[in-house]
Amino acid sequence: GAVVSQHPSRVICKSGTSVKIECRSLDFQATTMFWYRQFPKKSLMLMATSNEGSKATYEQGVEKDKFLINHASLTLSTLTVTSAHPEDSSFYICSASQTEIQFFGPGTRLTVL
Amino acid sequence: DQQVKQNSPSLSVQEGRISILNCDYTNSMFDYFLWYKKYPAEGPTFLISISSIKDKNEDGRFTVFLNKSAKHLSLHIVPSQPGDSAVYFCAASAGGTSYGKLTFGQGTILTVHP
Repeated sequence: GAVVSQHPSRVICKSGTSVKIECRSLDFQATTMFWYRQFPKKSLMLMATSNEGSKATYEQGVEKDKFLINHASLTLSTLTVTSAHPEDSSFYICSASQTEIQFFGPGTRLTVL
Repeated sequence: DQQVKQNSPSLSVQEGRISILNCDYTNSMFDYFLWYKKYPAEGPTFLISISSIKDKNEDGRFTVFLNKSAKHLSLHIVPSQPGDSAVYFCAASAGGTSYGKLTFGQGTILTVHP
């Protein structure tokens, strides 16, 4: 399967700071990238869909000013959690696709103190 | 509104036996279905998928069955191995403006005992 990387794998930050998470498709060009959030013992919740060169489409209830998504190229998308608060602590996972199959990154564990 | 449901939170199977994981959906617009395997603190790994024009797809030890009239799909793993122990998610996507977006079930924890 295709390889998707995420960086960093783990980040701890202070409340009020911003955190950027990178998602890269390493061996294919992804027309679409997705950002998910997973709460403990819960399923994956889609946050937004990102197409290269256009604005991200956010799911209902997801604050676009809070979670900034940039899809600069066919192999890179970034999620910036702005002014992070403890309730933003979660496991964030990106995925990339060319077709209907999404390939997922390893995830980023964000802890906001 | 849970459009994709995995009603069994967990399943325990003996090594070498068959594991059957089930998934039900309610949205008749779904036309593509996928199974992913996930370990804790890792991203999901794609296993197998099936289009709504088929009723079966096989890949090695993994077979997915789709019953459109019942809006039900299942993943069969045979023979099961201890390394298969993980959380299994089924996911579905629809075409049109929702192309590529996946809706996930809640997951089933599979434990394969040696």
